[in-house]
Amino acid sequence: SQQGEEDPQALSIQEGENATMNCSYKTSINNLQWYRQNSGRGLVHLILIRSNEREKHSGRLRVTLDTSKKSSSLLITASRAADTASYFCATSGGKLIFGQGTELSVKP
Amino acid sequence: EAGVVQSPRYKIIEKKQPVAFWCNPISGHNTLYWYLQNLGQGPELLIRYENEEAVDDSQLPKDRFSAERLKGVDSTLKIQPAELGDSAVYLCASSSISGANTGELFFGEGSRLTVL
Repeated sequence: SQQGEEDPQALSIQEGENATMNCSYKTSINNLQWYRQNSGRGLVHLILIRSNEREKHSGRLRVTLDTSKKSSSLLITASRAADTASYFCATSGGKLIFGQGTELSVKP
Repeated sequence: EAGVVQSPRYKIIEKKQPVAFWCNPISGHNTLYWYLQNLGQGPELLIRYENEEAVDDSQLPKDRFSAERLKGVDSTLKIQPAELGDSAVYLCASSSISGANTGELFFGEGSRLTVL
């Protein structure tokens, strides 16, 4: 079973624009993680935010966490064609459970 | 440093045949995971090992799936007999962090299974 629900399921933008993906979950968590998966490849860890943190940055990535609303968002600024991939949130609360993912397409 | 290594990358078999997947985690990572990923879906946990002990196998269909990690390093996931619905990508991941507070997972490239 999957806990996270991601929104939108698919997102298409132009290079240089910002991309925002949202994740909602149902139960309490220790941390929330975001992963990227290029087509036909394994998942790559992007960022981890703990339950007592509200915002975290890593390069062009910004993640927010609202535990009262049980939701998180991933913002990719100044997107590039190389950012085209599927993005998954994963919640940790005893085990790591992945959402359905958002398929991001960045057009040059 | 070598990453998580999985083999084979691709496997095509007929239904009712057995199949096995192998995973070599990152050196020193005591925690190992097997996930199943269907097309267009997120990974779903099959089993988690801490060293050689399977600490969470609640999602593993034990009638046809089995896994082992005999020396606490490499792991093998077996399906016998395979069914059409088993067609999916089988992902192995490892972590240096044990316990319920899961840290960063390092994934292999996956083994794509097609059952005809």
